[in-house]
Amino acid sequence: AQSVSQHNHHVILSEAASLELGCNYSYGGTVNLFWYVQYPGQHLQLLLKYFSGDPLVKGIKGFEAEFIKSKFSFNLRKPSVQWSDTAEYFCAVNPQAGNNRKLIWGLGTSLAVNP
Amino acid sequence: SQTIHQWPATLVQPVGSPLSLECTVEGTSNPNLYWYRQAAGRGLQLLFYSVGIGQISSEVPQNLSASRPQDRQFILSSKKLLLSDSGFYLCAWSVQATRSGANVLTFGAGSRLTVL
Repeated sequence: AQSVSQHNHHVILSEAASLELGCNYSYGGTVNLFWYVQYPGQHLQLLLKYFSGDPLVKGIKGFEAEFIKSKFSFNLRKPSVQWSDTAEYFCAVNPQAGNNRKLIWGLGTSLAVNP
Repeated sequence: SQTIHQWPATLVQPVGSPLSLECTVEGTSNPNLYWYRQAAGRGLQLLFYSVGIGQISSEVPQNLSASRPQDRQFILSSKKLLLSDSGFYLCAWSVQATRSGANVLTFGAGSRLTVL
């Protein structure tokens, strides 16, 4: 079965530390890839997406993610986190097969940034 | 611009009572509509999605049902709530994909349901 794995369930960092959240998926075909973020008390919202082209994609608030097809990975990075990055982060994958309109979601990573 | 409204924001209901959660989208037409349940540490579970009026796809067998009586209205219902129906329910919409596959989802604020 298709699945998405986020390796870190809880991450605690100090401000200015670098961040990398792992995301791996199990599907051998073409995929669309997403990172969503949910700040405390706010809507779940799109952080960045990859459909095609440059495998290094940039999103809002200084986040970026790199699609490595050979590793089935789409890791999220930020060189220097801020307290305001405290949130829950979800990786999602949409396999491009048939009439599939569904996203497959990871379980999420809770990030706490200490000031 | 497009907006999505979801209500009620919180709801406390006794076991066996009915449920109706409503979601409406403004500023777009013929959207794909989705109902998700979000549980702590368990990610997002797709419950239903709809590609048009009256067209509902159910992803998991459960005590809930969904309806789409109008293009931009999506309703999550139950005739008799169970304790296990407690949770955080999210409505979302996306544009109709120009090719196979989901497009970007825009989520509502969510509805917190507690069944006692």
